[in-house]
Amino acid sequence: EPEVTQTPSHQVTQMGQEVILRCVPISNHLYFYWYRQILGQKVEFLVSFYNNEISEKSEIFDDQFSVERPDGSNFTLKIRSTKLEDSAMYFCASSERGRTYEQYFGPGTRLTVT
Amino acid sequence: GQSLEQPSEVTAVEGAIVQINCTYQTSGFYGLSWYQQHDGGAPTFLSYNALDGLEETGRFSSFLSRSDSYGYLLLQELQMKDSASYFCAVSNYGGSQGNLIFGKGTKLSVKP
Repeated sequence: EPEVTQTPSHQVTQMGQEVILRCVPISNHLYFYWYRQILGQKVEFLVSFYNNEISEKSEIFDDQFSVERPDGSNFTLKIRSTKLEDSAMYFCASSERGRTYEQYFGPGTRLTVT
Repeated sequence: GQSLEQPSEVTAVEGAIVQINCTYQTSGFYGLSWYQQHDGGAPTFLSYNALDGLEETGRFSSFLSRSDSYGYLLLQELQMKDSASYFCAVSNYGGSQGNLIFGKGTKLSVKP
């Protein structure tokens, strides 16, 4: 069964450093998302991406964040200058056209900022 | 603002039936989804309601009342493996975009 994959599974970085989180969505999906989940809390929407551009972004997704689809398979989230409060699990998700309520999540990247 | 309210914890025994409620207040509403998340795992899609009424998928059913801004997830014949967190999530756009706004989750503990 096709699945969303994410790398790395765990990333430790120092405050102020740049990190890139990588995702490979399901191949026939057209909509891509990034969410984050601080330990023990709810899943929070960051950004959605369709047709090579951002469809929507939340208040969390400020100028420190950017997304890119550098090729036909990868989808990346970049945090330019990490802060302690960026420590969280970051999930990538993808969905088919017309079924965006049914999103397939990757296993997540645990980001720890020290 | 946008908010989804669901109980923080529910405990039930194996074989029982449990209902997890969700009330929502959002700007724009297209439907209510339910996701399951085991500890350390990723959210997994369970069910979706766009229209009023009951949707049944095996042991799980989901209900929506748009007029009451209310829905629930019903889990029947509970098994130990159903111990997980359950999130309701609102789609406030139609199928073309569809970011999800999640509730805080209900932690279900199934006891022998």
